[in-house]
Amino acid sequence: KAGVTQTPRYLIKTRGQQVTLSCSPISGHRSVSWYQQTPGQGLQFLFEYFSETQRNKGNFPGRFSGRQFSNSRSEMNVSTLELGDSALYLCASSLGQGPNSPLHFGNGTRLTVT
Amino acid sequence: KNQVEQSPQSLIILEGKNCTLQCNYTVSPFSNLRWYKQDTGRGPVSLTIMTFSENTKSNGRYTATLDADTKQSSLHITASQLSDSASYICVVWRGGADGLTFGKGTHLIIQP
Repeated sequence: KAGVTQTPRYLIKTRGQQVTLSCSPISGHRSVSWYQQTPGQGLQFLFEYFSETQRNKGNFPGRFSGRQFSNSRSEMNVSTLELGDSALYLCASSLGQGPNSPLHFGNGTRLTVT
Repeated sequence: KNQVEQSPQSLIILEGKNCTLQCNYTVSPFSNLRWYKQDTGRGPVSLTIMTFSENTKSNGRYTATLDADTKQSSLHITASQLSDSASYICVVWRGGADGLTFGKGTHLIIQP
């Protein structure tokens, strides 16, 4: 079974630009969540989608948005990029929210904002 | 405030030795505790998930323990191998997609 695929692996953008990251979950997984990982803050929850609906959102500004398509693939968009948005963005998929349902992470997109 | 504290921040041990990583949490309510291994440049991979009623769970050379009364967990690695070099992240879930609280991880280096 193929794992979670994130594209692109690396991105370099300039302040003020916008970026779109893509995530393809494991086949059959309907829940997709996004996380930002930085050395100082660790992993922080951005948002979660289930069956094309955003179910939960973390404490991030409105510049961070996402969506999920009918095939469960998800995209994350960041507008008006700031230097502080430089981070590893991880996508994870799972079967659901049961207590023993682990998250399966992709290898992330490394975003650098200059 | 819901927090997960991990110690030590970093650890260097020789190949073949055992080690124990610590995780203390103040998350409430508690649903489960997870340990993840993250290799450099890769996404985290699940090692164990433990619910309130589970005290010990093993995954090969990895053994996690949970004391829900003291809100402490540990991850013990037996007979370390070079491939164990990674960051180990403790995560506590209180329920819901936004209910995950992540520790900042322990960076483990195994030296030959």
